[in-house]
Amino acid sequence: KAGVTQTPRYLIKTRGQQVTLSCSPISGHRSVSWYQQTPGQGLQFLFEYFSETQRNKGNFPGRFSGRQFSNSRSEMNVSTLELGDSALYLCASSLEQIGADTQYFGPGTRLTVL
Amino acid sequence: AQSVSQHNHHVILSEAASLELGCNYSYGGTVNLFWYVQYPGQHLQLLLKYFSGDPLVKGIKGFEAEFIKSKFSFNLRKPSVQWSDTAEYFCAVTSGGSYIPTFGRGTSLIVHP
Repeated sequence: KAGVTQTPRYLIKTRGQQVTLSCSPISGHRSVSWYQQTPGQGLQFLFEYFSETQRNKGNFPGRFSGRQFSNSRSEMNVSTLELGDSALYLCASSLEQIGADTQYFGPGTRLTVL
Repeated sequence: AQSVSQHNHHVILSEAASLELGCNYSYGGTVNLFWYVQYPGQHLQLLLKYFSGDPLVKGIKGFEAEFIKSKFSFNLRKPSVQWSDTAEYFCAVTSGGSYIPTFGRGTSLIVHP
């Protein structure tokens, strides 16, 4: 079974721009979660999508948004980029429920904001 | 809000040494506990998890963890480490009916051959 894939793997943007990251979950997985990983804050939960609906949300500003398509693929968008948004963004998929089912992580997208 | 502490940020061991990585959480109610590992250049992956039952949980690659409710701890152990165990280790907790995991800051383990 193919694992979780994320595109692009690396991205460089400037302040004020917006960015869209993509995640393809493992086939059959319906839950997709996004995390931000930084040296200073560690791994922080952004949001989770299930059946095209946002089911859980972390404590991030509204500039961070996402969506999920009918095939469970998910995108994450960050608008009006700030220097502090530089991070590794991880996507994880699970069968039905994060925190109950095993989460499988992708390789991440490394975003650098200049 | 739930918080998770991993007190050892960097651990350096020689092969065959025993390992114990600490993980403490703050919430006193029902918890689900996880340890994840990220090997160099690889994805974050689940090592083991505890939901209920036997507080001593066995995971992959010879790792185990013990849930001690009275100490709010879920320490990871391995009796004899190998060079291939060099990685970043993360403890995570879900609690209070929330499925949102809170992660610790991670422990970097380096094992010298």
